[in-house]
Amino acid sequence: AQSVAQPEDQVNVAEGNPLTVKCTYSVSGNPYLFWYVQYPNRGLQFLLKYITGDNLVKGSYGFEAEFNKSQTSFHLKKPSALVSDSALYFCALLRRSNDYKLSFGAGTTVTVRA
Amino acid sequence: GAVVSQHPSRVICKSGTSVKIECRSLDFQATTMFWYRQFPKKSLMLMATSNEGSKATYEQGVEKDKFLINHASLTLSTLTVTSAHPEDSSFYICSARDNGQGHEQFFGPGTRLTVL
Repeated sequence: AQSVAQPEDQVNVAEGNPLTVKCTYSVSGNPYLFWYVQYPNRGLQFLLKYITGDNLVKGSYGFEAEFNKSQTSFHLKKPSALVSDSALYFCALLRRSNDYKLSFGAGTTVTVRA
Repeated sequence: GAVVSQHPSRVICKSGTSVKIECRSLDFQATTMFWYRQFPKKSLMLMATSNEGSKATYEQGVEKDKFLINHASLTLSTLTVTSAHPEDSSFYICSARDNGQGHEQFFGPGTRLTVL
């Protein structure tokens, strides 16, 4: 089965500290992976994606993610977190064999304290 | 970037009534749109895949007579919650796949449905 997992329900960091949100995947073949952020009562905003190429992907708002094939991971990172980064983050896997549907992780709530 | 809108953003209705939610791709054509349901602080649950000019494909456990989907044009899909009940209260989000950009989905801002 093709799926993604976000092992942490919550991540709490102090402003200015590095932020990491974990994601692991399970897929046969090459994965298409995405990160989205959701603010309260809003839709999903695209942060970044990995399709092919460099394992380090840079995205919006200073976020980046590293695709690690051996560890089947795609962790989201930001070197210096802001209070405004507090939100719900979703990792997603595109299931190309199934009408290009997205499988979402359970989500990780990030709280950045001032 | 590609923009997807939803209307209304918020709706409150009485139990037993029907509610229609629109999803529009504003600056691109979308052969395929997706409808999701999200419970508070939970992940998105795919309800159905909406294909322009054909019947929607529903996920297992989703009642197609309850959640009617119409994709009449390349820029508009509608979700109608029929005979709504309080347990249908939720946040409904649509997404659209840009025909020109292949695989990427663009998400609407969501619709908060409250059934009294």
